[in-house]
Amino acid sequence: EIVLTQSPATLSLSPGERATLSCRASRSVNDYLAWYQQKPGQAPRLLIYDASNRATGIPARFSGSGSGTDFTLTISNLEPEDFAVYYCQQRSDWFKFTFGPGTKVDIK
Amino acid sequence: EVQLVESGGGLVQPGRSLRLSCEASGFSFNDYTMHWVRQAPGKGLEWVSGISWNSGSIGYADSVKGRFIISRDNAKNSLYLHINSLKVEDTAFYYCAKDIPLDSWGQGTLVTVSS
Repeated sequence: EIVLTQSPATLSLSPGERATLSCRASRSVNDYLAWYQQKPGQAPRLLIYDASNRATGIPARFSGSGSGTDFTLTISNLEPEDFAVYYCQQRSDWFKFTFGPGTKVDIK
Repeated sequence: EVQLVESGGGLVQPGRSLRLSCEASGFSFNDYTMHWVRQAPGKGLEWVSGISWNSGSIGYADSVKGRFIISRDNAKNSLYLHINSLKVEDTAFYYCAKDIPLDSWGQGTLVTVSS
């Protein structure tokens, strides 16, 4: 099973700042890495797929990068609605689609 | 508009069985792989199971293999998850989700396992 680790566990920032979230895989997932956002009481929402492609309707301030084992989600200019929990997920291991433990972005 | 509506959750005693359903609309259900993802209260996401468009390929997380059975009925645009021998640690919100990556999600149904 591919294990994903995310860092930091919590990121405390102010609106307008830049957020940089990391996801590391226990072995290469090529670029088969997605990012999801989840707000309290809501279902997760797909933000980024295949490492760097924004999903439909996702603002340009969200960007993804990386390949192999190291990936980054960047939120360039935090809006109030961006404070949430972010999860990465790999789809390299077919039908063993593991998630990372999440990074909470909260207001400083 | 894609809609996924889960049902079938509730309070269940340990050792009992439960069947969750997910009714899909707004897309060609029989063209897509579908999945179940769960989230224990206050915890992270766990992919549970997936099924290909024609049910020819099915997968389970190791944590549920042997107790969970995923199925689908394309004529009814519906996805199912049969859970046997429920354990306290199965307590979670259960979400159905479309495709991989998971581009659409339902709002979830809560399963609480307690005596």
